Amino acid sequence: EAAVTQSPRNKVAVTGGKVTLSCNQTNNHNNMYWYRQDTGHGLRLIHYSYGAGSTEKGDIPDGYKASRPSQENFSLILELATPSQTSVYFCASGDSGGQDTQYFGPGTRLLVL
Amino acid sequence: GDSVTQMQGQVTLSEDDFLFINCTYSTTWYPTLFWYVQYPGEGPQLLLKVTTANNKGISRGFEATYDKGTTSFHLQKASVQESDSAVYYCVLGDTNAYKVIFGKGTHLHVLP
Repeated sequence: EAAVTQSPRNKVAVTGGKVTLSCNQTNNHNNMYWYRQDTGHGLRLIHYSYGAGSTEKGDIPDGYKASRPSQENFSLILELATPSQTSVYFCASGDSGGQDTQYFGPGTRLLVL
Repeated sequence: GDSVTQMQGQVTLSEDDFLFINCTYSTTWYPTLFWYVQYPGEGPQLLLKVTTANNKGISRGFEATYDKGTTSFHLQKASVQESDSAVYYCVLGDTNAYKVIFGKGTHLHVLP
């Protein structure tokens, strides 16, 4: 069974603070993705990765960094969190690009005060 | 650029009603098209996938047909149940790209 896990599941941060969201997958997939979900926008791609050591900008990368230290792990980093980054964040993994199914984690709910 | 459009933000039906969710897309490539479903408190999960090779997908009683002429990819189900209440996303995948594009989602609420 494909498995993508995220931690933490809920996070409260202060404006200007640093936030790290973590994702782990046991699917042995090459590609991993970070999305945010907001009412009226659906899911929007922040960063993605083709494999260990690679990170690429998605559609809305401003204010976010990503790190892929291994095949299994992909982190999303908010160096200076702002209230506009309050959202639900989803990590996903997939075997290759736009043709293949993506497997999503359960999400992290982030509130920036 | 590539895009996908779901105009229905919310749909409310009663059990045993017919479901039809409209989706249109725009791309210059040969698309793979998906419907994902998201239940409360969970991440999205694949409902069905259709390519230009097979044109049609069926899963869990849901059916979607890809029409290249009208660039549409509608989702339908003959008789919905309360357990079908969820958000449904139409998703466009590019065979030449790394990513997919999500529509804004349709929130289906089925009344018992």
